[in-house]
Amino acid sequence: DVKVTQSSRYLVKRTGEKVFLECVQDMDHENMFWYRQDPGLGLRLIYFSYDVKMKEKGDIPEGYSVSREKKERFSLILESASTNQTSMYLCASSFEEYSNQPQHFGDGTRLSIL
Amino acid sequence: EDQVTQSPEALRLQEGESSSLNCSYTVSGLRGLFWYRQDPGKGPEFLFTLYSAGEEKEKERLKATLTKKESFLHITAPKPEDSATYLCARGGYQKVTFGTGTKLQVIP
Repeated sequence: DVKVTQSSRYLVKRTGEKVFLECVQDMDHENMFWYRQDPGLGLRLIYFSYDVKMKEKGDIPEGYSVSREKKERFSLILESASTNQTSMYLCASSFEEYSNQPQHFGDGTRLSIL
Repeated sequence: EDQVTQSPEALRLQEGESSSLNCSYTVSGLRGLFWYRQDPGKGPEFLFTLYSAGEEKEKERLKATLTKKESFLHITAPKPEDSATYLCARGGYQKVTFGTGTKLQVIP
């Protein structure tokens, strides 16, 4: 079974802090994704990566950056956290051509910015 | 713009009362239609992929079907443990679009 592991289930940070969310997958998937999930808005794509050191902006990249130094690891960075970035963050991975293959998700990080 | 619309937003069923969840999607350029289950405080769990109209997939009490413009998730004789939010997602050209889900509650 695919396993996607997110480093923290719950995180509380202060406004202006630099925040790192880590994600590791164990299935040698090429593609990795970061989403945020908010009530009534569904899943919104922040960034994705289809290869090591490659990244593409999703629908809501403002205020975020990402890093993919190794195939199995994809990090989301909040450069200067703000209260409107309080949300559930979900990491996912998929095999090869990602739009016709299912994405497999981690259990999420619930991030609160105070 | 790719769109995915799920209905109803919420559904309450008695245990054993069968029903269906609906997912309508932008037809042009469909590359795959995905169903997920999400429990509170957890990430979505993959259930099914459907690729072409007429295709059906089954798992326990769940059956997913695909027509040319809609997908249905049929739940037969549901149990309380089937309570969750069910998400539908559309794979298009270099993009996957998620619906906002149907929250299912099954009452004993």
